[in-house]
Amino acid sequence: TQLLEQSPQFLSIQEGENLTVYCNSSSVFSSLQWYRQEPGEGPVLLVTVVTGGEVKKLKRLTFQFGDARKDSSLHITAAQPGDTGLYLCAGYNFNKFYFGSGTKLNVKP
Amino acid sequence: IAGITQAPTSQILAAGRRMTLRCTQDMRHNAMYWYRQDLGLGLRLIHYSNTAGTTGKGEVPDGYSVSRANTDDFPLTLASAVPSQTSVYFCASSDHGSGSPLHFGNGTRLTVT
Repeated sequence: TQLLEQSPQFLSIQEGENLTVYCNSSSVFSSLQWYRQEPGEGPVLLVTVVTGGEVKKLKRLTFQFGDARKDSSLHITAAQPGDTGLYLCAGYNFNKFYFGSGTKLNVKP
Repeated sequence: IAGITQAPTSQILAAGRRMTLRCTQDMRHNAMYWYRQDLGLGLRLIHYSNTAGTTGKGEVPDGYSVSRANTDDFPLTLASAVPSQTSVYFCASSDHGSGSPLHFGNGTRLTVT
């Protein structure tokens, strides 16, 4: 099993605050993806990072893949209530995706 | 609308009963996956299929079986359900390749009593 650990597990913040979610592993992945999941629905892809050190921006979200391709972070600037949800990282190796346990984010107005 | 369809949406099942969760995709993706999602444990891979006619075991395959007779369908069978199989089950598909995203269905909520 290629374990991915996410932290924090829960995060409750006020609208306008910044936050960072971490995804760490002892395994090297050929790519890493971040998903967002809302209650009663399946996860939806936010971004894929492939190259070590890669940084991708999606509006207020910034994703980084570690140089060694073992870890990743998701930074949200000026969080909004619409960002509320479960954030999942997933590492890809050998035709399989391995998911972290998720970070449940609640952004209060 | 293209995507993945899972059925049923929810089910309550007596322990020992047999149950098949259905999954159909219309995107012609070659790879399909079954995950279970439990509180605090994220998504764990049960079985996968890289292409029609082939299947493989994931992290938690015991008590489950799958088949992939064609590209579109990937049913998951619980031969004799046990309470520990109470979970939300997600089917997903992707084109092969390390950057290809997973497309998920909306899940089946299964309760085994």
